[in-house]
Amino acid sequence: QQQVKQSPQSLIVQKGGISIINCAYENTAFDYFPWYQQFPGKGPALLIAIRPDVSEKKEGRFTISFNKSAKQFSLHIMDSQPGDSATYFCAARAQGNQFYFGTGTSLTVIP
Amino acid sequence: EAGVAQSPRYKIIEKRQSVAFWCNPISGHATLYWYQQILGQGPKLLIQFQNNGVVDDSQLPKDRFSAERLKGVDSTLKIQPAKLEDSAVYLCASSVPGRGNTIYFGEGSWLTVV
Repeated sequence: QQQVKQSPQSLIVQKGGISIINCAYENTAFDYFPWYQQFPGKGPALLIAIRPDVSEKKEGRFTISFNKSAKQFSLHIMDSQPGDSATYFCAARAQGNQFYFGTGTSLTVIP
Repeated sequence: EAGVAQSPRYKIIEKRQSVAFWCNPISGHATLYWYQQILGQGPKLLIQFQNNGVVDDSQLPKDRFSAERLKGVDSTLKIQPAKLEDSAVYLCASSVPGRGNTIYFGEGSWLTVV
């Protein structure tokens, strides 16, 4: 059973555009929602994270929007750049520091 | 601060052979994870240690996979015998318990079973 559902599977965006990746979850006990960025041949690296008592968090061009009632959260990448081309994973943390990951979104930003 | 170290980075073995991966977590990180990442999928937790004790190994195929963290620091993940479907990247990660908001991943060990 997939604890965290992520969409879309792949995304192509023009340079300067907005990239939006969505995730949904069912377990209301999740208490922390990070996003990871993974480049080919590398391990996932933390990009930005949010707690469920906050509706939005922004760091530079990256913003997480969190809707607790809908059990959904999304990553917005503003002014997308070719260097943002990577695979993005949402995740959710459960009790015991256990993290569940989405299936990933492959983002390609074309010049 | 040194990151999570893993070795070997790449391994190619024939099915039914055995393989072992090693991980050294970030210094002071008591929680260590092994994840399996199949191409095009998200990481799947195989086993989680707190110091040298197992917290969760519910998704570890125990008939062929084993892992240990004897001294509460580095860890070894073993596969014996390997199957074709074990071809994946094995990611080690670590975190600080209690303040474990973030887990830090190594670069992974790429396994190809032929």
